[in-house]
Amino acid sequence: AAGVIQSPRHLIKEKRETATLKCYPIPRHDTVYWYQQGPGQDPQFLISFYEKMQSDKGSIPDRFSAQQFSDYHSELNMSSLELGDSALYFCASSLRTGGDIRNEKLFFGSGTQLSVL
Amino acid sequence: AQKVTQAQTEISVVEKEDVTLDCVYETRDTTYYLFWYKQPPSGELVFLIRRNSFDEQNEISGRYSWNFQKSTSSFNFTITASQVVDSAVYFCALSGPSGTYKYIFGTGTRLKVLA
Repeated sequence: AAGVIQSPRHLIKEKRETATLKCYPIPRHDTVYWYQQGPGQDPQFLISFYEKMQSDKGSIPDRFSAQQFSDYHSELNMSSLELGDSALYFCASSLRTGGDIRNEKLFFGSGTQLSVL
Repeated sequence: AQKVTQAQTEISVVEKEDVTLDCVYETRDTTYYLFWYKQPPSGELVFLIRRNSFDEQNEISGRYSWNFQKSTSSFNFTITASQVVDSAVYFCALSGPSGTYKYIFGTGTRLKVLA
């Protein structure tokens, strides 16, 4: 079965550069979540989208932006990269059936490992 | 405020031993959801279980079992007859009633199962 696809798998950037992370949800899933997991840390919620609209926002820096496109894939854009942005970035998708979380199940991608040098 | 505490940073057991991973949560919501995820060395997050706050039945799935106790705000995870492939970081997570997966994760417990 198709899973959540994230690209690239690994990304190396220098300080002050920009990066774009892509997420392709499971087909027919309408909701995308982004999480950031620093080295040895727990994942932290960044932002989510439902039906191409931002649905929730967490601890996402102003230097980051994200959107969900008409084909439901999502991109996380990161500008003015800092060393502290080095982390594993997870995307997850779900199908929000009737808006009830009890009918949802969240599927995570394998993550994009971003290293800022 | 919502919070998830996994007090055990790292646990080492010998293969075939049973092991329990603790999870204590704090929330003011009356409806909430609890989760366990496994993060093997390859890095992906693997869903293990979801439990809602109004269902206190314990659950068993093969060698895995979960003990949800609202009275102590705990949602502990037991692996019976552990195997080397169980070695991973295990995260407990909490989400509120809003219908989103805006998780609050615990800091994780690293389980090492030695052959």
